[in-house]
Amino acid sequence: QKEVEQDPGPLSVPEGAIVSLNCTYSNSAFQYFMWYRQYSRKGPELLMYTYSSGNKEDGRFTAQVDKSSKYISLFIRDSQPSDSATYLCAMSLFSPKSGTYKYIFGTGTRLKVLA
Amino acid sequence: SQTIHQWPATLVQPVGSPLSLECTVEGTSNPNLYWYRQAAGRGLQLLFYSVGIGQISSEVPQNLSASRPQDRQFILSSKKLLLSDSGFYLCAWSVQSGKYEQYFGPGTRLTVT
Repeated sequence: QKEVEQDPGPLSVPEGAIVSLNCTYSNSAFQYFMWYRQYSRKGPELLMYTYSSGNKEDGRFTAQVDKSSKYISLFIRDSQPSDSATYLCAMSLFSPKSGTYKYIFGTGTRLKVLA
Repeated sequence: SQTIHQWPATLVQPVGSPLSLECTVEGTSNPNLYWYRQAAGRGLQLLFYSVGIGQISSEVPQNLSASRPQDRQFILSSKKLLLSDSGFYLCAWSVQSGKYEQYFGPGTRLTVT
């Protein structure tokens, strides 16, 4: 079983729709939960992070974490064509071996917002 | 502000040839450095990370090696490329105490023919 599971999509939605992107994980030791956005042929960039169960909002984006179900979501309201990208969930936990945080990424979900 | 550079952007190499990809970070000191490979449907696979000059940790056994000759320079190498080495290679950095944020470079698309 992979530590992090993410539906690869692709997901196509009309402009203005609400988008829901999801990941499940198996390791209850994960401490931080992140969403990265990656445009085609570019490196990923951090969109949002959270470390507790509940919701965190930033503009049109809401990150949701449910630690009891080991499930995280990213909601995009009023989606725009410029939101078309691959969205990767990521999680981190402290590694005593390295003395730093270890990051695990999902496979990414390709999103296309149609004008 | 901090920036991260990777080169080359695109590379086509024959099987059996050597490889050297370079990554440099500006505007920060003593960062953690990472090399990832991204293949379709497989997400980001951590290959190597480094917490300091000369300190390299490998996450998966493979045909590749990494070196950190200077504080903000990270090099990914291979003596003989395999077809399976094709992919999108990403360098990233984080602060030493970083818990959730990594900063990625623009990537190198490697095709082994």
